[in-house]
Amino acid sequence: NAGVTQTPKFQVLKTGQSMTLQCAQDMNHNSMYWYRQDPGMGLRLIYYSASEGTTDKGEVPNGYNVSRLNKREFSLRLESAAPSQTSVYFCASRPSVYTEAFFGQGTRLTVV
Amino acid sequence: RKEVEQDPGPFNVPEGATVAFNCTYSNSASQSFFWYRQDCRKEPKLLMSVYSSGNEDGRFTAQLNRASQYISLLIRDSKLSDSATYLCVVNRDDKIIFGKGTRLHILP
Repeated sequence: NAGVTQTPKFQVLKTGQSMTLQCAQDMNHNSMYWYRQDPGMGLRLIYYSASEGTTDKGEVPNGYNVSRLNKREFSLRLESAAPSQTSVYFCASRPSVYTEAFFGQGTRLTVV
Repeated sequence: RKEVEQDPGPFNVPEGATVAFNCTYSNSASQSFFWYRQDCRKEPKLLMSVYSSGNEDGRFTAQLNRASQYISLLIRDSKLSDSATYLCVVNRDDKIIFGKGTRLHILP
């Protein structure tokens, strides 16, 4: 029962470094999402993929890129990390618009 | 105006009391509705789905009013373990839209 798996769980980056956050789901869900959560800001949508082969910007896409590698995997890339990207990142998936979403355990990213 | 709005709280409630949360959404085309619970620094987890007919799960009751575009959650006989942040969530087309959450502290 893996569900949604995110790697890594923790990461510290230096300003300007790049990294990719990985997300994989084994539930055959069509839609996948990346959110960031900051204190007092709630969950904010970065990018989403409604189906394999499509990606769209969310509320806060600047500084990020995504790849929907296949139906299972949806990665989030920071090309040049900035301290403002220090946050907790959550990946989620859902099968349809009428169902709940399932979340990964989160990646806690600190950019120094 | 945010598409999904909640009172951020915190609600400080004695153990055993009943507590109610409301949430409003602005887009009448929204298709499905949920309450999630989030514990500190953990991922959100589904508490319950919300329907116009209302639904109950033990001490929890949720209700959707489409005409007024609000969603409610009632917790009866609150327990210390109910302390968490409660997120109102709306699905609209390809998007999942979250309220900022309402913090609940149950006091012994």
